Amino acid sequence: GESVGLHLPTLSVQEGDNSIINCAYSNSASDYFIWYKQESGKGPQFIIDIRSNMDKRQGQRVTVLLNKTVKHLSLQIAATQPGDSAVYFCAENMDSSYKLIFGSGTRLLVRP
Amino acid sequence: ETGVTQTPRHLVMGMTNKKSLKCEQHLGHNAMYWYKQSAKKPLELMFVYSLEERVENNSVPSRFSPECPNSSHLFLHLHTLQPEDSALYLCASSPGTAYGYTFGSGTRLTVV
Repeated sequence: GESVGLHLPTLSVQEGDNSIINCAYSNSASDYFIWYKQESGKGPQFIIDIRSNMDKRQGQRVTVLLNKTVKHLSLQIAATQPGDSAVYFCAENMDSSYKLIFGSGTRLLVRP
Repeated sequence: ETGVTQTPRHLVMGMTNKKSLKCEQHLGHNAMYWYKQSAKKPLELMFVYSLEERVENNSVPSRFSPECPNSSHLFLHLHTLQPEDSALYLCASSPGTAYGYTFGSGTRLTVV
């Protein structure tokens, strides 16, 4: 029979608009968080990270916000471009271990 | 491209075959990882090596056997796989704990 894949939430935005992708993480002990971007046929690519002693960090066109109270992470992309179309994953790291735990991802579609 | 190179990019194998996936990193990182990415589940950690020693071993069937001969190379030996093992196998490296990973482009494995 046909395989049933993960149902990825999809965010569709107009080119030039800002995008906000959200992630709820699982463990209150997590102290390091990363956003990855994965384009079709490629491995995940590091975008930006944040440690738990911060609540906001900015990069080039991207901002990550961390709300430890509600265990929520968000990625904001300014002036979204067609090249931003991809699946975005958040990842959390606990207690300085080697293991990153990944979320299931959000698909971002940019309309021209 | 990313500094982590995986070969082959695509592999089709029968259930009785033996094959190996290869990963090489040119980043001077100390830790290397195997992850499995399938349509049904989020990224799953399989194995972690730090300075050639296995440091994590998530309940992975014995038909998957990792090997880390030095800190730049990582192999995943495959034997008598099942069709449900078909997935994208991703290799990654990191400087150590609590750092983002750098991923390779993956090996798309199909078991027939």
